[in-house]
Amino acid sequence: DAGITQSPRHKVTETGTPVTLRCHQTENHRYMYWYRQDPGHGLRLIHYSYGVKDTDKGEVSDGYSVSRSKTEDFLLTLESATSSQTSVYFCAISESDVNRGMRSPLHFGNGTRLTVT
Amino acid sequence: KNQVEQSPQSLIILEGKNCTLQCNYTVSPFSNLRWYKQDTGRGPVSLTIMTFSENTKSNGRYTATLDADTKQSSLHITASQLSDSASYICVVAGGGNKLTFGTGTQLKVEL
Repeated sequence: DAGITQSPRHKVTETGTPVTLRCHQTENHRYMYWYRQDPGHGLRLIHYSYGVKDTDKGEVSDGYSVSRSKTEDFLLTLESATSSQTSVYFCAISESDVNRGMRSPLHFGNGTRLTVT
Repeated sequence: KNQVEQSPQSLIILEGKNCTLQCNYTVSPFSNLRWYKQDTGRGPVSLTIMTFSENTKSNGRYTATLDADTKQSSLHITASQLSDSASYICVVAGGGNKLTFGTGTQLKVEL
């Protein structure tokens, strides 16, 4: 397994509270991604990073922010959680930019299950 | 609109039998196609990555095929095992520099 650790694995929070999810990698890969997975939908990209302090929005970025201060860590923050953000969140890493057609493997962490009540 | 459609949605087979999962896509232009296996409660794990020029690619008992002309791919599982029970996700890269994920086929292998 690629060295990707997501924390926490499970979290229950209340509407309106801030939440931060962490992704830590030991592979020294340049690219990191946050996806959410919901029933009836394929995985959807929230934000991604192409280097330290370099990030960009994905297709479902509203209500989320990210930060990457070190190569190994990529944080996803829900500034004010809503029930629509109840989901399973996956971090992924790759050596080259898979969103630009590079065939580098995309390695996923084991996810964080977030419930917003 | 870029889309990836997988069929069937779910499938139950007996251990030792073969099965084939289908993936149709409308992503254009096409860069590559990936198949992932996702066990319950875990992240997806890559099985194969295929580019335009590759028609067939194998990974153990998993064989993926790609027909870029008809925009179809299949994943064939040979001699299924209980551990093959999982969701299988087709992912297509291209069409505006992004990955488009299918919703997966849920496979259950029974004794």
